[in-house]
Amino acid sequence: EAQVTQNPRYLITVTGKKLTVTCSQNMNHEYMSWYRQDPGLGLRQIYYSMNVEVTDKGDVPEGYKVSRKEKRNFPLILESPSPNQTSLYFCASGRGKETQYFGPGTRLLVL
Amino acid sequence: AQTVTQSQPEMSVQEAETVTLSCTYDTSESDYYLFWYKQPPSRQMILVIRQEAYKQQNATENRFSVNFQKAAKSFSLKISDSQLGDAAMYFCAYRSGYNFNKFYFGSGTKLNVKP
Repeated sequence: EAQVTQNPRYLITVTGKKLTVTCSQNMNHEYMSWYRQDPGLGLRQIYYSMNVEVTDKGDVPEGYKVSRKEKRNFPLILESPSPNQTSLYFCASGRGKETQYFGPGTRLLVL
Repeated sequence: AQTVTQSQPEMSVQEAETVTLSCTYDTSESDYYLFWYKQPPSRQMILVIRQEAYKQQNATENRFSVNFQKAAKSFSLKISDSQLGDAAMYFCAYRSGYNFNKFYFGSGTKLNVKP
C-alpha cells in the first residue's frame, strides 16, 4: 500500500530534550516536506527536500533541522524543543507537479 | 510570498443542501496550482480537488466543484448534496508553478453538517 508513515504519532517531552520525528514514504517520491499545523494558522511549511541531500527552508524553519540521506526518509529534528513548538506536524511527499500525499500527523506537546 | 485567505472560520449547512467555501489568494505568478484539502476529525489530510491555473474550465469531482476566477484570484469550493461525512476542516492551498516545492495554506474553514 502506497503511504507516508510518521513516528511517533503522539509525543510529550520537556523543554530542551532533543527529539526526532521520522517520516518514510514507499512511493519513490523525490519531493518531501514537513508542515506544522496550529489553530487559526493552517499548515505552514517548515522544510522541504527536492531529492537526496537537497533541502531548503520553508516559511517557519527556526528551531528545526532536517536531513535527507535516503530517498524514502526525511526526519525532522528538534535539537532543543520549546513550548512554542507544541503543534501538529505533518510529513508529505510527492513527485513533480503532482499533488502531495500526507502522513497521518504527529501531535507534539513540549512542557 | 504568496498568501491564501479563507475568511470563513466556520460554516454550517443542512444535510442534502449546498454550501460554498471561499478562498482568495495573492500572487504575481501566472503559473500555479490550487487545491482544496479536507481534514476530518482523524486529522488525515485528504485531497478533495485541484485546479491548474492555465485551465479555464472549473474542476469537478462528484459532488465537489470549484469556481475559479483567475482575475479575481478567487477559488471557492461548492459542495452539493451535503452529507454528514462532509463535516471537517477544509483548507485551501496554493502551489507555485515555478517553485513547485513551495505550498501555502489558508487558515481553514470548519464545516458543520446538520442532520
